[in-house]
Amino acid sequence: GAGVSQSPRYKVTKRGQDVALRCDPISGHVSLYWYRQALGQGPEFLTYFNYEAQQDKSGLPNDRFSAERPEGSISTLTIQRTEQRDSAMYRCASSLVSAVDMTGTDTQYFGPGTRLTVL
Amino acid sequence: GEDVEQSLFLSVREGDSSVINCTYTDSSSTYLYWYKQEPGAGLQLLTYIFSNMDMKQDQRLTVLLNKKDKHLSLRIADTQTGDSAIYFCAGVGGATNKLIFGTGTLLAVQP
Repeated sequence: GAGVSQSPRYKVTKRGQDVALRCDPISGHVSLYWYRQALGQGPEFLTYFNYEAQQDKSGLPNDRFSAERPEGSISTLTIQRTEQRDSAMYRCASSLVSAVDMTGTDTQYFGPGTRLTVL
Repeated sequence: GEDVEQSLFLSVREGDSSVINCTYTDSSSTYLYWYKQEPGAGLQLLTYIFSNMDMKQDQRLTVLLNKKDKHLSLRIADTQTGDSAIYFCAGVGGATNKLIFGTGTLLAVQP
């Protein structure tokens, strides 16, 4: 497809389980971002990839959260030992331009998100 | 760091103009964005404005930027029921161009 896709769209898990959320960016997009959106709030930055390199992970809340993008395309956000407070919408975005190599900015295109519910 | 604030709710009648306001703290954002979020859908980019501009018009949308007051607004002319959604303003923060979003404004359009 032409847009950013994410899977699964909905994930319900029990507290303590690990989950893996997938993002498939627009083909050829260099930059990939993960955001988390709590109910009634705006999205908050989690981490950023420039190609396969994780350039910024300052928004990851703790060491239970990790992300990878091994081939510079698909990315996986993993949450270990999930807790109820991890329940949120997890959004992925990609942009054509590398934020690191060029000045200025480029449009971020968002996927539909993964709604995570931890029971 | 950047802090972005929006009013929570706006109700208008179909055909009226809507004005959604946003204030921000960090004036270093090169671009400022407006995104639209509809239920069950992703965030859709509506428009953006470069920081050295005061105004940008795009069909029914007009963006006004007051850098002195750090105030951004989005005007939707002839608002339709299909415009009902949550609208987020966002600035760009840091070297990685991460977006910093406001809390969102729920626009309700009454027929």
